[in-house]
This record gives sequence, C-alpha cells and structure tokens, in this order.
Amino acid sequence: NAGVTQTPKFRVLKTGQSMTLLCAQDMNHEYMYWYRQDPGMGLRLIHYSVGEGTTAKGEVPDGYNVSRLKKQNFLLGLESAAPSQTSVYFCASSLAGDYEQYFGPGTRLTVT
Amino acid sequence: GEDVEQSLFLSVREGDSSVINCTYTDSSSTYLYWYKQEPGAGLQLLTYIFSNMDMKQDQRLTVLLNKKDKHLSLRIADTQTGDSAIYFCARGSSASKIIFGSGTRLSIRP
Repeated sequence: NAGVTQTPKFRVLKTGQSMTLLCAQDMNHEYMYWYRQDPGMGLRLIHYSVGEGTTAKGEVPDGYNVSRLKKQNFLLGLESAAPSQTSVYFCASSLAGDYEQYFGPGTRLTVT
Repeated sequence: GEDVEQSLFLSVREGDSSVINCTYTDSSSTYLYWYKQEPGAGLQLLTYIFSNMDMKQDQRLTVLLNKKDKHLSLRIADTQTGDSAIYFCARGSSASKIIFGSGTRLSIRP
C-alpha cells in the first residue's frame, strides 16, 4: 500500500514548455486534489475531482488543466509554463469531501 | 484559505509547551484538523476533532475547540526538536474540500 505517489519529484522547465504531473493513489479514494504551496501562502487548491471522469476548479486554476480518466490517477497539466508557476505541487486524496486528506510527497517545479 | 487564519511563526524552548492557535469563520464544518509538514515532505494528519467536541487529547497533543469564538488550538506538551515543522489548521467544507490555513512554522530553541 503505497498511499499517494507523485511523479516526477523534481523538474526544471523553460518558459513556454509543457509538462504533466502524475498523481496515483491505491486507497480507492473518490476525491483527489491538486495544490500548490508557495512560501508564506500556505496551500492553494488548483483543481479537484469528486470521482472518475469529473474535475472542478479550485482557487487558482488558471494556466492548469487536469484529467481523471481512471479513479486511481489524477493528472495535472501545464500547457505553457510560466515563471509564476514555480512552486511545490502536492496531490492529495480522500474518501469523502470533508474527510482526512492523504498527501503525496510533492513535486518541486522550477520554471526559468 | 482566508477564512482559516493562524499566525505564521512560533518559537518555543525545548521542553516547554507549544500552543498553536487558529480561528475560522464558517462554523458548519463536521471535522477540524491539524496537519504537520516536515521539511521536504507532504502534509500528514496529526489529529482531528469532531465539531461537537470541546477537547481531544492524544499523548502529548491536546486540541481545544471553542465553537462560540470559532477558535481551535493545538497544544504540544514537552516540545522536542522533532516537533519542528509547519502546522496547518484546516476545516472540512461542505463543498467537497478542506480549507487550510496558511500554516504556523514552529521552531525550537535549545
């Protein structure tokens, strides 16, 4: 039981490049979330999903897209990376919307 | 999460008690949480409290909930160097998510 895993752990992109971050969970959770964490700003919700095939916008969705084709996976895409997207990205999953969230180890992304 | 507020920093001496405070504006949550984030890692649930409880104790941790003042606190007794981390207060939301505070960085002085 690996819990929540994220790949990659680190990535450096040039402005304008694209990439996809993968989140996987093996707990059969319905809900999955993508956050970004910046110094002094806590966690900000980017997008979330309440089940396979569903996605919804969070607090800071601009510049990101997501897909939930399989229940266990939640993908976060950056189509054209910008320096403002330099951050640490965390994925989380939970059994229900207001239940405990389980977090992945994070992906540190730098956009130059 | 501007409706969950906590101070950014707390410094305590090793062996003393640490008290991290949090206030929130929406009282409809069923659960309130404390998460811990160690350097370079994701958040891990430390403890939680049901909204119909006033207090919960778990070893060195004591959570106090004042529903009238919408105030949640986390007390860590006999603070150790391993307690150095960022602590996030959070509340469950009916809108399919958890609302997090900005986190309190706890540092331990020798």
